[in-house]
Amino acid sequence: EDKVVQSPLSLVVHEGDTVTLNCSYEVTNFRSLLWYKQEKKAPTFLFMLTSSGIEKKSGRLSSILDKKELFSILNITATQTGDSAVYLCAVGGGSNYKLTFGKGTLLTVNP
Amino acid sequence: EAGVAQSPRYKIIEKRQSVAFWCNPISGHATLYWYQQILGQGPKLLIQFQNNGVVDDSQLPKDRFSAERLKGVDSTLKIQPAKLEDSAVYLCASSFTGGNTEAFFGQGTRLTVV
Repeated sequence: EDKVVQSPLSLVVHEGDTVTLNCSYEVTNFRSLLWYKQEKKAPTFLFMLTSSGIEKKSGRLSSILDKKELFSILNITATQTGDSAVYLCAVGGGSNYKLTFGKGTLLTVNP
Repeated sequence: EAGVAQSPRYKIIEKRQSVAFWCNPISGHATLYWYQQILGQGPKLLIQFQNNGVVDDSQLPKDRFSAERLKGVDSTLKIQPAKLEDSAVYLCASSFTGGNTEAFFGQGTRLTVV
């Protein structure tokens, strides 16, 4: 059975801090890893990673994948209160590209 | 480009009643997913369609849940009869090909079973 494990499950920081969120996986026929941000209901797409060692960057957010060690990290620098959300990691695998999600990391950024 | 549309946004029903959710994916998206997200947990895949065919329903409780995607566009997810533990947000997502492309989510339907 495909498995995606995120850590920590929750994190509280102050504005300006840098955070690192972790995602490890065990998936049959891995194809890609995706990060989403969920503030209310609908998760919104952040990054998709398919190759090891290539950093994806968008503003203060960046992510990298290690396919040998089967994990990914999401970094957020200079956090702002608007970064408060649940961050979800998902892995696409199998011939039908089944998307399996982790439980998410609840990030709270205090002013 | 219009996003994934879902309705209703909220639904409250009594246990043992039935309920149906509707999803209209982004135009041209062949793959459609239904997820159940219980409070505090990540989304759990219930069923995945490729066009109008089911490609994964291994986690769908088939004694009470059913889903269809007629004509490969809109989809309906039904629960009959509902149980208290079905209280959750039901998310619909779609993607272009189902392979190495991101899935886009609708706003979800929050179901409360009392």
